[in-house]
Amino acid sequence: QLQLQESGPGLVKPSETLSLTCTVSGGSISSSSYYWGWIRQPPGKGLEWIGSMYYSGSTYYNPSLKSRVTISVDTSKNQFSLKLSSVTAADTAVYYCARGVSLKYYDYVWGSYRYPYWFDYWGQGTLVTVSS
Amino acid sequence: QSALTQPPSASGSPGQSVTISCTGTGSDIGGYNYVSWYQQHPGKAPKLMISEVNKRPSGVPDRFSGSKSGNTASLTVSGLQAEDEAEYYCSSYADSNNVVFGGGTKLTVL
Repeated sequence: QLQLQESGPGLVKPSETLSLTCTVSGGSISSSSYYWGWIRQPPGKGLEWIGSMYYSGSTYYNPSLKSRVTISVDTSKNQFSLKLSSVTAADTAVYYCARGVSLKYYDYVWGSYRYPYWFDYWGQGTLVTVSS
Repeated sequence: QSALTQPPSASGSPGQSVTISCTGTGSDIGGYNYVSWYQQHPGKAPKLMISEVNKRPSGVPDRFSGSKSGNTASLTVSGLQAEDEAEYYCSSYADSNNVVFGGGTKLTVL
């Protein structure tokens, strides 16, 4: 059974960098055709996709956060990480890591392959508060 | 990218059916058949209920079903049960390998 576990500081000061790690157990983070993603949820609000990394190393970020986000992977530790820079109180949220299961199909309109995905396994989430 | 649009609330009595809508654009729901739905109970992580518009993962009751027409997807819960009371989020694969979520719908079982 795949399990994901978020870890990192629960309190970050404004203007600093939020850093979280997701440890994957019960499966390899290097397995083909999977994405590894981060999603957040401000208190009392809805889900917001932050970004995802394909197993090949390609990264994709929410356009509204792109300038501040970096997702990376450490295959030796079966972990992937999130860094969000220049945080403000608006970044206070529960942060989830999740696995994205993917398909592959050829888009004849655009003449390229597409790799759509959705999140099937989620971590329990970790609350990060931005405050001085 | 903008969030998908869901009604903030929905309700039904035990045994009844309820449908939750989710409206996007041609860059997400309308452009791809990769809509998913998640159930979230208070204090818990979201749980995948529907993928690829209408596919149920193993273990999800067949009372849950999904559909799509144009830029709008729908989740129907039939034979409502007390444990179905939760927040439901739609999500769609979108252009540029992005993912977009809806704002969530609070389902109340009366």
